[in-house]
Amino acid sequence: NAGVTQTPKFRILKIGQSMTLQCTQDMNHNYMYWYRQDPGMGLKLIYYSVGAGITDKGEVPNGYNVSRSTTEDFPLRLELAAPSQTSVYFCASSYSGQGASNQPQHFGDGTRLSIL
Amino acid sequence: AQKVTQAQTEISVVEKEDVTLDCVYETRDTTYYLFWYKQPPSGELVFLIRRNSFDEQNEISGRYSWNFQKSTSSFNFTITASQVVDSAVYFCALSEANSGYSTLTFGKGTMLLVSP
Repeated sequence: NAGVTQTPKFRILKIGQSMTLQCTQDMNHNYMYWYRQDPGMGLKLIYYSVGAGITDKGEVPNGYNVSRSTTEDFPLRLELAAPSQTSVYFCASSYSGQGASNQPQHFGDGTRLSIL
Repeated sequence: AQKVTQAQTEISVVEKEDVTLDCVYETRDTTYYLFWYKQPPSGELVFLIRRNSFDEQNEISGRYSWNFQKSTSSFNFTITASQVVDSAVYFCALSEANSGYSTLTFGKGTMLLVSP
């Protein structure tokens, strides 16, 4: 049972570099999400997707981009890394059938990103 | 806008003590869902429980119990006879029945430290 898989687990970037955080799920969930977790601040939603080809902004989308070309994959792109983007990033997915809004989200193990 | 408040930033107890983690929420929706997640030191997020707004029945699962009170907009979590393995950050989260998909609003989390 792979569930939600995120790569890499750790990464250090220099200011101005770009990178893509990978996320894939094998549960056939249409709904996928990206969060960032800063110390003492809980999780904040960056972007979400309700299906292939459909994405929308969450609470803190600035500095990030996403795409959703397949049901399984939902990569998060940082174009010009800034120190403020140092955080732990979590990808999640959830069931998309009837009653979807009451279904728990399943999280990956996170990507710890440091920008220096 | 929806909001989740976990006023307790950190709680320290000695093993076998009972401990209650508080969660207060705000929402304009009449239909919503509440969740608790556990984040152990290893960093992953583990789903614990879901509660629907129209079901105020309390729930017990082993040493864990949850008290949902709509009158006070609270969804508190009690651990009975705490153990060292309960040490973690616990997040309360709220989802509104919005377009059928589940976007979670998280509280900032309560760090529970259980010492032997």
